[in-house]
Amino acid sequence: AQSVSQHNHHVILSEAASLELGCNYSYGGTVNLFWYVQYPGQHLQLLLKYFSGDPLVKGIKGFEAEFIKSKFSFNLRKPSVQWSDTAEYFCAVNASSGAGSYQLTFGKGTKLSVIP
Amino acid sequence: DTGVSQNPRHKITKRGQNVTFRCDPISEHNRLYWYRQTLGQGPEFLTYFQNEAQLEKSRLLSDRFSAERPKGSFSTLEIQRTEQGDSAMYLCASSLSGFNEKLFFGSGTQLSVL
Repeated sequence: AQSVSQHNHHVILSEAASLELGCNYSYGGTVNLFWYVQYPGQHLQLLLKYFSGDPLVKGIKGFEAEFIKSKFSFNLRKPSVQWSDTAEYFCAVNASSGAGSYQLTFGKGTKLSVIP
Repeated sequence: DTGVSQNPRHKITKRGQNVTFRCDPISEHNRLYWYRQTLGQGPEFLTYFQNEAQLEKSRLLSDRFSAERPKGSFSTLEIQRTEQGDSAMYLCASSLSGFNEKLFFGSGTQLSVL
């Protein structure tokens, strides 16, 4: 079974600071990796995803994530955060094929608070 | 915006009562998923439908839980004999049936069992 660890529970940054949120997963096979975001009062929405190819993935709103297979990591980055990035961020993984490939396993989430 | 719609938004019930939630997916989506999220945790997979067929169920889905999608459109999730541990946000998501299609989530139904 897959598992996902997000090491930071709450991150507080000032506007224009750089962001990196950690995500590590545990799974013995090939995986697909996702970052979802939940803005205050809104539903979960996809920020970016990695299936194969270039391990550096670019998403919406200037976010990017890098898949490092040897480290089982998929960290989310943004060079300069804005107040509007205040949200909860969830890393998720699913098996790329076979049983369980329709099940997303989520991490516990990281709350990001950006101070103006 | 014809996104995923869930009703009710909030449900308060007494322990032992039955509750039913409804999810209306995006109309052209034939895959539908139910997840549960408790405070401080990420969403946990419960079950998945391809059209009207329930193809995967998590071990989290005890025999008190039942989900249906009778005509391959809307879905219901029923919890019988609710327990305080059932208190959570119940999320529905839908997607197209292609390879690794993007999930669209609803706003959820918050269940509180007293």
